[in-house]
Amino acid sequence: EIVLTQSPGTLSLSPGERATLSCRASQSVGNNLLAWYQQKPGQAPRLLIYGASSRANGIPDRFSGGGSGTDFTLTISRLEPEDFAMFYCQQYDNSPFTFGPGTKVDI
Amino acid sequence: EVQLLESGGGLVQPGGSLRLSCAASGFTFTNFAMTWVRQAAGKGLDWVSGISGNSGDTYYADSVKGRFTISRDNSKNILYLQMNSLRAEDTALYYCGARPVSRLGAIDFWGPGTLVTVSS
Repeated sequence: EIVLTQSPGTLSLSPGERATLSCRASQSVGNNLLAWYQQKPGQAPRLLIYGASSRANGIPDRFSGGGSGTDFTLTISRLEPEDFAMFYCQQYDNSPFTFGPGTKVDI
Repeated sequence: EVQLLESGGGLVQPGGSLRLSCAASGFTFTNFAMTWVRQAAGKGLDWVSGISGNSGDTYYADSVKGRFTISRDNSKNILYLQMNSLRAEDTALYYCGARPVSRLGAIDFWGPGTLVTVSS
C-alpha cells in the first residue's frame, strides 16, 4: 500500500498570500497518478487537480499542481477567502487508492 | 448534470449488516468508474472500494476486504456497497464518487454522503 504524507498539517496564511502544500508518497506514484481535493466543512470533497498537474473542470488557474515520483505539491498562487479549507492528496496508481491525512489552510 | 445520491445508512449493531446504494443520474452510468469513500467525524478521507464501468474490476481497502462487497446495476444506474460484520470503526459518512472513464482514478463527482453508525 502506498502511504501518503502531507505537510504541513496546518498552514496559517492571509488572503492574497501564496500557499504551498506538500504530498509525499512512500513509493513512486506511477504515471503521476495523483489528485488533489478541497473539502470545506459540511461539504463533499471537490476535485482540484488530477494527473499531478491537470486542473479539473472549472478550477481557477490560481490552483496548480506539480511534482513527480514521490514528491508532489499543490500551490495556490493568491489565496482567496473561499480557499480556506482542508486539502487532501490521493494516489490512484495502485490499489488501495489511498488518501493523505490532509492539510488545513486557515487564516 | 451529474447527480449522485447515497442512501441506506443508519444505526446498526456491531456484527450487523447494511447495504448502501448510490443512485446516479445525468450521465451514461456504464461509462463511469465508481468509488466509495468514507469519512469518520472530524477525520480525513478513507478510500473504501472501487469498481470499473463494466464491473470487471473491483478493489478494496485492506480494512474492509472480506467484509464489504461493491457491485453495480448498470441497468438501474445504481452502485451498491454490501457491508457485513460491521465494526465500530466503520462508523462514518459514506460518499459515492464517479469518474467519467471506465477505469478507476481521480473522483470527479461526489454525492452528499450517507451516515453509517455502528453501535450497540
